[in-house]
Amino acid sequence: NAGVTQTPKFQVLKTGQSMTLQCAQDMNHNSMYWYRQDPGMGLRLIYYSASEGTTDKGEVPNGYNVSRLNKREFSLRLESAAPSQTSVYFCASSRDSSGPQHFGDGTRLSIL
Amino acid sequence: AQKVTQAQTEISVVEKEDVTLDCVYETRDTTYYLFWYKQPPSGELVFLIRRNSFDEQNEISGRYSWNFQKSTSSFNFTITASQVVDSAVYFCALSEPTGANNLFFGTGTRLTVIP
Repeated sequence: NAGVTQTPKFQVLKTGQSMTLQCAQDMNHNSMYWYRQDPGMGLRLIYYSASEGTTDKGEVPNGYNVSRLNKREFSLRLESAAPSQTSVYFCASSRDSSGPQHFGDGTRLSIL
Repeated sequence: AQKVTQAQTEISVVEKEDVTLDCVYETRDTTYYLFWYKQPPSGELVFLIRRNSFDEQNEISGRYSWNFQKSTSSFNFTITASQVVDSAVYFCALSEPTGANNLFFGTGTRLTVIP
């Protein structure tokens, strides 16, 4: 199916390990986003990319970095994973700053 | 600051009952968008509807309807004749069209439809 594809779907890391979460969209959208979802807190924005070549911090950027590799791909990197980063991570994309965001299926990340 | 409140944490209804999910928002902007998303047990987020702040007309899509009232800063979602497949967590969200288009999510309402 067309849409937003996230890899991997599940991952377990040890504290201090690094990891990159991959996201790709095939809808020719300009904007892409990374959110984390924690129990009882809804989704919170980590980073976003309004267009190819730009990235900006969201509400909870500490401990993360992102790369907008091209128009299709937007990756999220944890340089030194911490247990507080255990969460479900969602990537999303939208046509532009007013369009609805379409989400991937999520990556469930556990850090021991 | 933007804020979305979904006061109902969990709701259970019997199949075929109608149910309304409440959403109250706060924003200083005059232009904004409101959304509802569905998250079924499988975990993905499914876009249901977007409304802009200048369009207060209610909308109906099959068994789903939405009531947007700026006077009370509410954007409520009603499911008519609920079905077991409606069981999910429903999120209300707010965004402004300038800048990041960041979605501010409520904490969600878990709906369980009992057969």
